[in-house]
Amino acid sequence: QKEVEQDPGPLSVPEGAIVSLNCTYSNSAFQYFMWYRQYSRKGPELLMYTYSSGNKEDGRFTAQVDKSSKYISLFIRDSQPSDSATYLCAMTLRTGANNLFFGTGTRLTVIP
Amino acid sequence: DGGITQSPKYLFRKEGQNVTLSCEQNLNHDAMYWYRQDPGQGLRLIYYSQIVNDFQKGDIAEGYSVSREKKESFPLTVTSAQKNPTAFYLCASKDRANYGYTFGSGTRLTVV
Repeated sequence: QKEVEQDPGPLSVPEGAIVSLNCTYSNSAFQYFMWYRQYSRKGPELLMYTYSSGNKEDGRFTAQVDKSSKYISLFIRDSQPSDSATYLCAMTLRTGANNLFFGTGTRLTVIP
Repeated sequence: DGGITQSPKYLFRKEGQNVTLSCEQNLNHDAMYWYRQDPGQGLRLIYYSQIVNDFQKGDIAEGYSVSREKKESFPLTVTSAQKNPTAFYLCASKDRANYGYTFGSGTRLTVV
């Protein structure tokens, strides 16, 4: 079993839709959770991060962590064509930890 | 602007040839990483280095080599022993106090 599981999609939605991206994980010791956005032929860029359980909102983006279910989500409201990218979840044990554990990424297309 | 620079953006390798991918950062980050990204497989860790003159193997180090002679630089050599080198290679760095990576823009390596 992989440490982090993520549905690869692809996911296509119309402009303005609410998008829900999800990851599950197996290691209950993970404490820090991140979402990266990767445009085609580019490196990933950090989009949002959360510590432990709870929600975090940044503009149209909301990150949610449910540690009891080992489940994290990224919601995108009022999706735009510029949101079309691959979204990778990532997590780690602590700030000084060396490695991040990545999901495989979900490819999202927002259709104008 | 601080960041990570990877070069070249595209690289072609002949069978049996060694090639070196460059990664330079001016973020004063201690740790640096090399990942390989293949469709449907997510990011796989090749090598990482936490300090100068020290590095550790990741999950798929066979056929690769690295050096860390300067804090700013972490080049990756893809040797002829790597049987399937065609992939997108990403370099990343991290500050010791943080948990998220900063990624470069990647190098796409193709065997011809």
